[in-house]
Amino acid sequence: NAGVTQTPKFRVLKTGQSMTLLCAQDMNHEYMYWYRQDPGMGLRLIHYSVGEGTTAKGEVPDGYNVSRLKKQNFLLGLESAAPSQTSVYFCASSFIPGTGGDHYGYTFGSGTRLTVV
Amino acid sequence: TQLLEQSPQFLSIQEGENLTVYCNSSSVFSSLQWYRQEPGEGPVLLVTVVTGGEVKKLKRLTFQFGDARKDSSLHITAAQPGDTGLYLCAGAGAGGTSYGKLTFGQGTILTVHP
Repeated sequence: NAGVTQTPKFRVLKTGQSMTLLCAQDMNHEYMYWYRQDPGMGLRLIHYSVGEGTTAKGEVPDGYNVSRLKKQNFLLGLESAAPSQTSVYFCASSFIPGTGGDHYGYTFGSGTRLTVV
Repeated sequence: TQLLEQSPQFLSIQEGENLTVYCNSSSVFSSLQWYRQEPGEGPVLLVTVVTGGEVKKLKRLTFQFGDARKDSSLHITAAQPGDTGLYLCAGAGAGGTSYGKLTFGQGTILTVHP
């Protein structure tokens, strides 16, 4: 089982460039999430999706856009990268809360380390 | 906004020592999860506690959920170098727009020296 797969693993962008981070899960999870992780700040939710074709804003959505065209994929886009977006990005997925045997447990990908110069 | 305060932020101990990590909030959570993260990898779920006062054990790790479901603790007995990593607590929203969404603590970086 692959679980949650993120691509790419590393990327360096110049300020103003755009890119898309890809996330794929093979566990038939309804919910998918994008987080960023910065030192001393834990994981902060950027956007999330409760099902195919739906997206919603999280705690820090500015500068990012997302799409969930297929249930298994969740894309995170940066239209015009800024140095403040230098971070490690994690995608996660879960069952609908209350329905999964692990009570909302998330499965995370291994992350994308993004540097904006 | 639900906040989780995790302490301590850093913990450096010798092999064989015991330790406790705390996770506190003023908000009530429907469940509380603990994750462990190793360098270059994503967090991995260790345990979920759901009922107030619940205690779960995972080998040398003991997890407790507070009676009011606002706080939790992780206790490790006889720590080993393999326990080294970042430990994260995360609370699941109890209702409304926060239902099911996780709020993470800042994390505790544990280093166990041989």
